[in-house]
Amino acid sequence: DAKTTQPNSMESNEEEPVHLPCNHSTISGTDYIHWYRQLPSQGPEYVIHGLTSNVNNRMASLAIAEDRKSSTLILHRATLRDAAVYYCILRDVGNAGNMLTFGGGTRLMVKP
Amino acid sequence: DAMVIQNPRYQVTQFGKPVTLSCSQTLNHNVMYWYQQKSSQAPKLLFHYYDKDFNNEADTPDNFQSRRPNTSFCFLDIRSPGLGDAAMYLCATSALSRNQPQHFGDGTRLSIL
Repeated sequence: DAKTTQPNSMESNEEEPVHLPCNHSTISGTDYIHWYRQLPSQGPEYVIHGLTSNVNNRMASLAIAEDRKSSTLILHRATLRDAAVYYCILRDVGNAGNMLTFGGGTRLMVKP
Repeated sequence: DAMVIQNPRYQVTQFGKPVTLSCSQTLNHNVMYWYQQKSSQAPKLLFHYYDKDFNNEADTPDNFQSRRPNTSFCFLDIRSPGLGDAAMYLCATSALSRNQPQHFGDGTRLSIL
């Protein structure tokens, strides 16, 4: 699977938007971009995924660069509950087992 | 309601004493996974089941084995735990269709005395 690069940590203020970047310069045409997050003492949870177009759901938005070499997860209004490690993961559409290879992730800290 | 349930949340065992961790799911998903997550690290896939078809990752030690007696349950057996096996063990499930998300349990934290 192609590799992703994320900042180790980021800080945000409560109720402000947060933009979490991810670089994936070696992405292939069949790689989907998936985001998961892991709150303290919990298992990871799915956030969002996309291929080429920007995606929105109730949790977040995913903005994908036109050349697909980078993407940004957007939390529109950060809350204290959003403090977590956010993982950007590439998954090939041919990955029949839907397997995930986690990288280092970004630890998001939210200040009140 | 929890859909992937791992019991117990905390498990303590002795060096070399076999231990079994359990996972159950109410999602009726075909695929089940076991991950190991050591302190301050990302989860690492150990193996997964596609229905009853077992798939081991190349670098998973022989000390780790798994059983899936039916769709709902999956077990992780550590035959002779060493101090290096202390970690959080995460179970996850996924539907069979491509690009389906994984659903994780909250993990079992294993300590070795």
